[in-house]
Amino acid sequence: KAGVTQTPRYLIKTRGQQVTLSCSPISGHRSVSWYQQTPGQGLQFLFEYFSETQRNKGNFPGRFSGRQFSNSRSEMNVSTLELGDSALYLCASSLMGQDGRQNGYTFGSGTRLTVV
Amino acid sequence: SQQGEEDPQALSIQEGENATMNCSYKTSINNLQWYRQNSGRGLVHLILIRSNEREKHSGRLRVTLDTSKKSSSLLITASRAADTASYFCATDEVSRGSTLGRLYFGRGTQLTVWP
Repeated sequence: KAGVTQTPRYLIKTRGQQVTLSCSPISGHRSVSWYQQTPGQGLQFLFEYFSETQRNKGNFPGRFSGRQFSNSRSEMNVSTLELGDSALYLCASSLMGQDGRQNGYTFGSGTRLTVV
Repeated sequence: SQQGEEDPQALSIQEGENATMNCSYKTSINNLQWYRQNSGRGLVHLILIRSNEREKHSGRLRVTLDTSKKSSSLLITASRAADTASYFCATDEVSRGSTLGRLYFGRGTQLTVWP
């Protein structure tokens, strides 16, 4: 079955612009999480969605937002881009087991965002 | 903030040798996971061990979990050059028994396997 698909793979934006990243989870996976990875901060959790509801949010400014659609596809948006937003943005989807326990995440290949 | 911390930060070995990486975490968990990342790519899920398990195997991988010490280890046996990658441990967040859909990652161990 198809994996987690993130688009675009690479993106170059200038400061002050806004950007939207897309993530299509594995079919049947209702949980979608977003992470930012930088050399300095490592992997930082942005937010998680389950059945179109944001269940959890990391410590990022309000410029970072997201949403999930009824087909579980998710988007994240960053407004008023700053140089420090340059990072690899990773999306992950997960299937919750029948007992409600999580069974590991499948990550996409990421979107490499460069802000100049 | 990060919960898991891997040790060592970097490990360099020859093909055929075993590689052991350790992870320590701070709070109660439901499960601990290990992921692998090739340079600048997405993470690949390797293995998940639940808090009531002590050891788990998958192919050449062996993971142990000691909840009393809040630590885990990942052993890769008979390593290959293709195992060269960064390895991360990740823990979930326990709150009222739910996972809350968030993982805490350590900074990773960079493993280099020389042919």
